[in-house]
Amino acid sequence: KNQVEQSPQSLIILEGKNCTLQCNYTVSPFSNLRWYKQDTGRGPVSLTIMTFSENTKSNGRYTATLDADTKQSSLHITASQLSDSASYICVVSAYDTNAGKSTFGDGTTLTVKP
Amino acid sequence: DAMVIQNPRYQVTQFGKPVTLSCSQTLNHNVMYWYQQKSSQAPKLLFHYYDKDFNNEADTPDNFQSRRPNTSFCFLDIRSPGLGDAAMYLCATSTRQGRYNEQFFGPGTRLTVL
Repeated sequence: KNQVEQSPQSLIILEGKNCTLQCNYTVSPFSNLRWYKQDTGRGPVSLTIMTFSENTKSNGRYTATLDADTKQSSLHITASQLSDSASYICVVSAYDTNAGKSTFGDGTTLTVKP
Repeated sequence: DAMVIQNPRYQVTQFGKPVTLSCSQTLNHNVMYWYQQKSSQAPKLLFHYYDKDFNNEADTPDNFQSRRPNTSFCFLDIRSPGLGDAAMYLCATSTRQGRYNEQFFGPGTRLTVL
């Protein structure tokens, strides 16, 4: 069964600090991995997307890494801001002829305090 | 800007009273999805359309139906809402031709059942 596990479940950091969120998956055959940011009461917004051959991808202060051998990904946030407070969701897609087969993690809730 | 639009943003209905949520997109994507997301949980795929081809998830209750009259619009019909159907409903789109099959989400409709 395809699964995506994220850790920690929640995290509180001070403004300006860095943090790293983890995502482990068992989705097979692997197609791509995406990180989304979801503000409270809003839809998820894509941060990064990586395929098998990509090890790292950056989007401003967000840097995602992917180790396809160990089936692990991380999202590193640099110099956190209050607006980074949100849920961060890891989504992994299996290669499939049927569009839409994605497995969602339960998310990490990040709170940035002043 | 090309986007995914959901209306209304907030919907209140009574127990058992049919309700329809709408989604429109200007991305011209051929795949549209409906997700149900309850508090602090990952979005759960209800069904998706690949063009006019409807794909229902095995565990989606019969109470949930969908219509896609054209490429731009997709509707979610809840025939007899129960208290357990109160949730955020997310619409998303993707293009099957895209290398990454990345999903773009709308802002969501928050459904309250009284």
